[in-house]
Amino acid sequence: KQEVTQIPAALSVPEGENLVLNCSFTDSAIYNLQWFRQDPGKGLTSLLLIQSSQREQTSGRLNASLDKSSGRSTLYIAASQPGDSATYLCAVAHTDKLIFGTGTRLQVFP
Amino acid sequence: EPEVTQTPSHQVTQMGQEVILRCVPISNHLYFYWYRQILGQKVEFLVSFYNNEISEKSEIFDDQFSVERPDGSNFTLKIRSTKLEDSAMYFCASVAYATNEKLFFGSGTQLSVL
Repeated sequence: KQEVTQIPAALSVPEGENLVLNCSFTDSAIYNLQWFRQDPGKGLTSLLLIQSSQREQTSGRLNASLDKSSGRSTLYIAASQPGDSATYLCAVAHTDKLIFGTGTRLQVFP
Repeated sequence: EPEVTQTPSHQVTQMGQEVILRCVPISNHLYFYWYRQILGQKVEFLVSFYNNEISEKSEIFDDQFSVERPDGSNFTLKIRSTKLEDSAMYFCASVAYATNEKLFFGSGTQLSVL
């Protein structure tokens, strides 16, 4: 059974720091891995999608890597800003569905 | 950017009542999903829907749940007889052409069962 774990569970940093969020999964038979952002009481916004054949994807200050064989992905956030404060979820596409991790709650303070 | 729209944003109901949660997926999308998130817990898959039929469902999606695409635009989730443990945020999502593409989520319906 696919299990997705994210560490750390929470992170509080000053503005400007570079951050690494970690995601691990137990079954390497995935179609893709997606990183989402969730603001309190709101929906999920897709940030990056990495296909199983890819190693990384970049969008602005965000960079996500995927090591399928070791069951790991990282989300790198450069030069963090207070507006980055949210919960970040990783999810692996397994058969016809996404399996989500519990998320990392990020707070960036000025 | 196109959006998945969900209504209502909040729904309060009494235990045992039927509720229908509504979603309008992005217009040219072919795959539709319902997920839910109980407060403080993971987002969980409920059901996927393609070509007017369920393609996969989770253990959570028992006989109390049903989905329907009654017309060309709406996608609904019905809970026949709500239980206290059905209280959660319910998210609708859609994908354009293939299940390995980016998933677009709606902003959710917060269901509270009293």
